[in-house]
Amino acid sequence: AQSVTQPDIHITVSEGASLELRCNYSYGATPYLFWYVQSPGQGLQLLLKYFSGDTLVQGIKGFEAEFKRSQSSFNLRKPSVHWSDAAEYFCAVGPANQAGTALIFGKGTTLSVSS
Amino acid sequence: DAGITQSPRHKVTETGTPVTLRCHQTENHRYMYWYRQDPGHGLRLIHYSYGVKDTDKGEVSDGYSVSRSKTEDFLLTLESATSSQTSVYFCAISEGVEKFFGPGTRLTVL
Repeated sequence: AQSVTQPDIHITVSEGASLELRCNYSYGATPYLFWYVQSPGQGLQLLLKYFSGDTLVQGIKGFEAEFKRSQSSFNLRKPSVHWSDAAEYFCAVGPANQAGTALIFGKGTTLSVSS
Repeated sequence: DAGITQSPRHKVTETGTPVTLRCHQTENHRYMYWYRQDPGHGLRLIHYSYGVKDTDKGEVSDGYSVSRSKTEDFLLTLESATSSQTSVYFCAISEGVEKFFGPGTRLTVL
């Protein structure tokens, strides 16, 4: 079955500390991988994506993610968290080179930032 | 900005009443999607469309129908709303393989 697992429902990080959000996927085809962020009461904003090539991808707001095929993982990282990063983060997977196929989402990780 | 709007943005209705949510896009994208978002479930696909009058079911389609008579509009209808359909509904479009989301509609069914 195709699925995305985000093992951590809620994470609290101190401002200025580093962050890693975990994402594991199960997908039959070659995957494209995405991270989205949702601030309270807002829609989803694309943070970054992996299609092919360099397995370390850079996104907006200082985020990066590393694709590890052997571990079926696509973890999101940020070296120094800011209070404005408090939000819900979703990992998603879709098939490579198939424009119309819908994404499968994880259940999300809520990030809280403490001062 | 993928030019996606949703209306209404908020709605409160009663059990048993019909409800229609509208998604409108301005950039002529072929593929459109309706998701619902619930705590602990993430986003789940309700229905999607791959062109005018071409639609198909997603993971949680029971109790929902859709229509797409024009490229720019994708309508989601709850024929007889139930409390279990209280949720936030997001419309999305495909731009290549990337998906872009609308601002969402918060629906409460009392």
